[in-house]
Amino acid sequence: DAGVTQSPTHLIKTRGQQVTLRCSPISGHKSVSWYQQVLGQGPQFIFQYYEKEERGRGNFPDRFSARQFPNYSSELNVNALLLGDSALYLCASSLGQGSFTDTQYFGPGTRLTVL
Amino acid sequence: KQEVTQIPAALSVPEGENLVLNCSFTDSAIYNLQWFRQDPGKGLTSLLLIQSSQREQTSGRLNASLDKSSGRSTLYIAASQPGDSATYLCAVSSNFGNEKLTFGTGTRLTIIP
Repeated sequence: DAGVTQSPTHLIKTRGQQVTLRCSPISGHKSVSWYQQVLGQGPQFIFQYYEKEERGRGNFPDRFSARQFPNYSSELNVNALLLGDSALYLCASSLGQGSFTDTQYFGPGTRLTVL
Repeated sequence: KQEVTQIPAALSVPEGENLVLNCSFTDSAIYNLQWFRQDPGKGLTSLLLIQSSQREQTSGRLNASLDKSSGRSTLYIAASQPGDSATYLCAVSSNFGNEKLTFGTGTRLTIIP
């Protein structure tokens, strides 16, 4: 079975531009979460979506937005890019049923560089 | 606010040795704790998940323990191999229904052949 997939792998943008990152969860998983990982740090939670509804939001500005589609894939959008948005963006999927054993599975990430 | 700390930030050990990685968290009201492995520039691979009611979990050469009352977890790696070289991250989930994971900054492990 395919794992979590993300596209694109790498992306270079300039300040002020907008970017869209995509994620496809593991088949059967209904929950998708997004994380930002700055070099040398642990991932920081951005959003969680379950059944197309936002279930959680981290401490990120309104320039960050996301949505989930009927097939459970998801997009993360970032507007008005800043140099500080340069990071590895990780997507994770899970069954989303709230079980104590519901493991989150991460994709390979999208490396965003803002110049 | 939950905070997760991992010490040391980096660790080098000779091949074959057993080792322990440490993780501490400030709020003991956790749902579960996960250990992940991350290779340079790559995504995260889940190694072990410990439910809040459990004390330990084992997978092959890996054993993770959890002491929720003291806010600590350890990852024990037996008979280390060069392929174990990676960054190890622990993360806690604190809310039912909201799967937000709070991560530590990781321990970069190097196994010396």
